[in-house]
Amino acid sequence: QVQLQESGPGLVKPSQTLSLTCLVSGGSISSGHYYWSWIRQPAGKGLEYIGRIYTSGSTNYNPSLKSRVTISLDTSKNQFSLKLGSLTAADTGVYYCARSPIYSGEFDLWGQGTLVTVSS
Amino acid sequence: QSALTQPASVSGSPGQSISISCTGSNSDVGGYIYVSWYQQHPGKAPKLLIYDVTKRPSGVSDRFSGSTSGNTASLTISGLQAGDEADYFCSSYTGSSTPQVFGTGTKVTVL
Repeated sequence: QVQLQESGPGLVKPSQTLSLTCLVSGGSISSGHYYWSWIRQPAGKGLEYIGRIYTSGSTNYNPSLKSRVTISLDTSKNQFSLKLGSLTAADTGVYYCARSPIYSGEFDLWGQGTLVTVSS
Repeated sequence: QSALTQPASVSGSPGQSISISCTGSNSDVGGYIYVSWYQQHPGKAPKLLIYDVTKRPSGVSDRFSGSTSGNTASLTISGLQAGDEADYFCSSYTGSSTPQVFGTGTKVTVL
């Protein structure tokens, strides 16, 4: 079955850029049936939508993060990536990649999540 | 786009039924049929329980059910079990520049 797996550094310094990758296994990221999204969760808090990308490369970002976020797709490696710049301590939390069907939008498949700590 | 409002906590005894509310607006919950619910155990990723307001993915127990009334969606857990103790989040399509908004989350405690 399809699985998602996040990877990236667990510790990043303030003002630097976070780079995370989500590897999609067991299925093609180019199927055209899904959006591929990033979602984050500060410790003990709720979920926050960061943004998503479609097979065509079109993106959508949370307006509150838009100036700092870039999501890209690498179909040759069957993975998609997140870059978040100008980091502060408020960006600390667990980052999840997730899949959502294009006609309804629920997040039907999630990665296990990766903890990112922003600290000097 | 503001987060959807959920009660911080709900509790119940084993075997009982509980409901969790998720209140939004005409721009999200009340305007579309795309409401979903997620269960999250500590240290784990969220798991999809309900989508399109009332539908259950394959493998999800029929003890979980969803509904809406106006701008409020609800998740009902019947026959409450110890394993249902977790955090629950709702989400809705918004049709705005942020296509999905999440609820504030509800901690369910089984007494």
